[in-house]
Amino acid sequence: GENVEQHPSTLSVQEGDSAVIKCTYSDSASNYFPWYKQELGKGPQLIIDIRSNVGEKKDQRIAVTLNKTAKHFSLHITETQPEDSAVYFCAASKDSDMRFGAGTRLTVKP
Amino acid sequence: EAGVVQSPRYKIIEKKQPVAFWCNPISGHNTLYWYLQNLGQGPELLIRYENEEAVDDSQLPKDRFSAERLKGVDSTLKIQPAELGDSAVYLCASSLGSHTGELFFGEGSRLTVL
Repeated sequence: GENVEQHPSTLSVQEGDSAVIKCTYSDSASNYFPWYKQELGKGPQLIIDIRSNVGEKKDQRIAVTLNKTAKHFSLHITETQPEDSAVYFCAASKDSDMRFGAGTRLTVKP
Repeated sequence: EAGVVQSPRYKIIEKKQPVAFWCNPISGHNTLYWYLQNLGQGPELLIRYENEEAVDDSQLPKDRFSAERLKGVDSTLKIQPAELGDSAVYLCASSLGSHTGELFFGEGSRLTVL
């Protein structure tokens, strides 16, 4: 089955700096790659996603890039704010079978 | 529109006791998932339903875990008997169906087994 690896496990940045989280996947048939944000005591919530026919997608301060050949994808957050502090999960999906990475705890220091 | 609703939010039980979690997905969502989330880890799939059919239960420990989704709407996940290692958050999620992508998660049910 699909295996998703995510790093770093923790990331601390100063407010206003950029943050980058990277993931790799094992199944070349995976075709959908979402990123979820989970705040304490809440369920994960989708923040951005990308499909395998697209190399890059941007939504305001967040962007995701996908390299299908290398089977890796990354989340980029620019101009970080304290409210960006949370745990972020990447996932890879094929035909509704979605598998998650272990998560990155992002801390944005004011 | 209401999101995915789970109950109870918190449950504390003694080991060897049974426990059940309930999930009501977003109206019209055909696909329903149960995930296990251990502390500091990502969600791990337990079972996935397409309507009332369990299409992937390969990760469900069938000796003690069971699930059902009667009528293809809400779902129940049961553990009997519970073990100490079952302490975790049980997340339910739903989506419109195959190939559509986004999963919508409930807030989870946190289980503590003493």
